[in-house]
Amino acid sequence: KAGVTQTPRYLIKTRGQQVTLSCSPISGHRSVSWYQQTPGQGLQFLFEYFSETQRNKGNFPGRFSGRQFSNSRSEMNVSTLELGDSALYLCASRGTSGGAGETQYFGPGTRLLVL
Amino acid sequence: AQSVTQPDIHITVSEGASLELRCNYSYGATPYLFWYVQSPGQGLQLLLKYFSGDTLVQGIKGFEAEFKRSQSSFNLRKPSVHWSDAAEYFCAVGQPGGNEKLTFGTGTRLTIIP
Repeated sequence: KAGVTQTPRYLIKTRGQQVTLSCSPISGHRSVSWYQQTPGQGLQFLFEYFSETQRNKGNFPGRFSGRQFSNSRSEMNVSTLELGDSALYLCASRGTSGGAGETQYFGPGTRLLVL
Repeated sequence: AQSVTQPDIHITVSEGASLELRCNYSYGATPYLFWYVQSPGQGLQLLLKYFSGDTLVQGIKGFEAEFKRSQSSFNLRKPSVHWSDAAEYFCAVGQPGGNEKLTFGTGTRLTIIP
């Protein structure tokens, strides 16, 4: 099976712009989670989607949003970018039930630089 | 709320030496426990996980971890490290039957010296 893929891998934006990141989960997986990784804050949970519904959300401002399509692919959008949004954004997919006991498989990440 | 502590930010070991990375968690019951490894510029790869049962868990790449309920710990070990083990290691907890997110520790960077 192909792994989790994320596009683009690298992105440079300027403050105030918006950005959309894409994640394709492992075939058959219905749960997609997004994490932000920064040197200062480490890995922080953004949100999780399961069967096109947001099931869980972390403590991020409303500028961070996401969605999931019927084929389980997910997008994450950040509006009005700030310098502090520079980070590695990781997507992870989980199996058929998407329960906490199922292993999350991570993609390589999208590295976003905000200038 | 669940939390994870990895007390060692950076560890340096010689190639061939043994390794132990510490992980302590805070959670009201027995959580799901995971160890992930991240090489530079890469995503996270699962090394091993503990859900229940035998407290000594074997993983990939020769790693193992032991769950100790009394100490709220889930330390990662390897008897003999290889230069390719240089990476950042993350311990994570999940909540059985509840919130599906993973809570990660801050990570331990492992450097291997020849």
